[in-house]
Amino acid sequence: ILNVEQSPQSLHVQEGDSTNFTCSFPSSNFYALHWYRWETAKSPEALFVMTLNGDEKKKGRISATLNTKEGYSYLYIKGSQPEDSATYLCASYGSGNTGKLIFGQGTTLQVKP
Amino acid sequence: DTEVTQTPKHLVMGMTNKKSLKCEQHMGHRAMYWYKQKAKKPPELMFVYSYEKLSINESVPSRFSPECPNSSLLNLHLHALQPEDSALYLCASSQEAGTRELGDEQFFGPGTRLTVL
Repeated sequence: ILNVEQSPQSLHVQEGDSTNFTCSFPSSNFYALHWYRWETAKSPEALFVMTLNGDEKKKGRISATLNTKEGYSYLYIKGSQPEDSATYLCASYGSGNTGKLIFGQGTTLQVKP
Repeated sequence: DTEVTQTPKHLVMGMTNKKSLKCEQHMGHRAMYWYKQKAKKPPELMFVYSYEKLSINESVPSRFSPECPNSSLLNLHLHALQPEDSALYLCASSQEAGTRELGDEQFFGPGTRLTVL
């Protein structure tokens, strides 16, 4: 059974603070790691799909790194804004050549103005 | 059009009712998914359709019956549900045939909030 773990479970920061959170996953038989942002009452939105060890991706103030050998990914938000408030989910694939994504429980970020 | 739409947004049904959830995408994606999400839990995969054929059923009870009438539509037929089936039901699609080889991203709809009385 694949376990995808995220920490912390929730985070409260002030506007302008930079923050980061962690996703850990089994490093064996790795294919890809997905990050999603999920705002309340909206659809989960894909942020990054990461496949290569050492990969670093960036979208505006949000960036992510990937270490497939040790089985973790970090998501960074620079200069958090209230509109960054959301739940951030990571997901990796289960066993077998299928599209079954296993999601972590998410990190809920609240940015206070 | 990069949107996945789901109807209805909210559904309240009794345990003897029959209802259906609908999902639609016009991105030409060949894989479509149903997920179930309970409060404070991650989304859990229920079904995957690949090229309009059911490729994964995650041991979902038969009171949930998926259907893929064409490549753009995905339905979830509900019958004789239990109160514990109350959850957010998310639909998603991806470009390729639901395999992990390409690691392609999944596009999600906003979900249907289901309450079973």
